[in-house]
Order: sequence, then C-alpha cells, then structure tokens
Amino acid sequence: QKEVEQDPGPLSVPEGAIVSLNCTYSNSAFQYFMWYRQYSRKGPELLMYTYSSGNKEDGRFTAQVDKSSKYISLFIRDSQPSDSATYLCAMSSEVREKLTFGTGTRLTIIP
Amino acid sequence: DVKVTQSSRYLVKRTGEKVFLECVQDMDHENMFWYRQDPGLGLRLIYFSYDVKMKEKGDIPEGYSVSREKKERFSLILESASTNQTSMYLCASSPAGHPNYGYTFGSGTRLTVV
Repeated sequence: QKEVEQDPGPLSVPEGAIVSLNCTYSNSAFQYFMWYRQYSRKGPELLMYTYSSGNKEDGRFTAQVDKSSKYISLFIRDSQPSDSATYLCAMSSEVREKLTFGTGTRLTIIP
Repeated sequence: DVKVTQSSRYLVKRTGEKVFLECVQDMDHENMFWYRQDPGLGLRLIYFSYDVKMKEKGDIPEGYSVSREKKERFSLILESASTNQTSMYLCASSPAGHPNYGYTFGSGTRLTVV
C-alpha cells in the first residue's frame, strides 16, 4: 500500500464548477501538507500549504486537512480553463523531512 | 524571480552511456532534490542533499549517483544508462527549516535512452 493515495483521474468539469481533489494517507506522523499544480511540460509549483489540521483559503482555492481521517482535500471554486493541470498532493512529518507525493490528478476545465 | 534551472529540456542517450543532468538554483537554498516522474507512478525521490558535499539516498537510488560540490549546483549522474531510466527528471530546491515555502522545481529534463 502506498503511503499517499490519489485518484489519478482524469477529471473533466465545465467552467464555473466547483472541483474537489482528494488524497488519503496512511502515515499518522504527517503534519505538513501541500498541493502542487503542474502544467504540461512544466515542473510542479506550490499552490497551497497547510500545517496540521484545518482549512486554509487563498482566493478560489481552499485546502482542508482532516488528520483524524487521514484525508486532505483541495477545492477550486469558479473553475477556469487556466486551472487545467495536474494537481499533486504532498506531505511530510518533520520540517526537515523530504516530501512524499501523491501520483497526481489530471484536471481539465471545459469552456 | 527565483529559479531552478535544469541544463537540458530534452536528451537522447544510448544504452551504456554515462549521463550527467545538471541543476542550478539561485535562491541560496540549503536543500536540493532529484526526482523522476513517470505516468501512474508519480514523483519518486532518487537522491537529496541538505548541504554542500552531503547526499542521502531517496526511494530509488539504484543506477544513479549525485554530486554537490557547490551550494547552488546539484548534479545527477546515470552511471550506465539503461532504457528503464527513460523518464522525466525533475530537480527541486527548498530552504532549510521553512516547510511553508515548499519546493521550487525546475522545468524538467526529458531523458530518452535508446
């Protein structure tokens, strides 16, 4: 079993829809959680960072962490075609610890 | 604008060749990483370094080595390239002790071994 599981998709939604992306994990020591966005032929870029449990909002993006369920989510409101990308979750247990990535979900927003 | 620069976007090498992938960052980051990315497998860590001349094995180090002689430069070496090393290689860096900054990735090198 992988430490981090992420539905690979692909996921296609119409423009303006709310998108929900999710990851589950098995290591209860994880406490630093991130979402990366990767456009085609580019490296991943950091989108959201959350420490421990709770919600964090940044514009149209909301990251949620539920440590009791070992489940993290990324919500995208009013989705735009420019949101079409692969989204990767990542997490670690210590500040110095390397990140463990999910496999990524490919998202397409249809105009 | 902060940057991680990988020397080549595309490389084609022959089986058995020694291959060097170079990565340079201009952010004075302590930590540097090499990943490979394959469809369905995601990002897999090959090697990482927390300081100059330091290196640690990641999850899939076999067939690879690294060199970090200067803080800004982290090189990945394929000792004898094989076809199963055909992949997208991503270099990343991060500052020590600041997980909220995350990793800054390069644009990747797509290596094909024939």
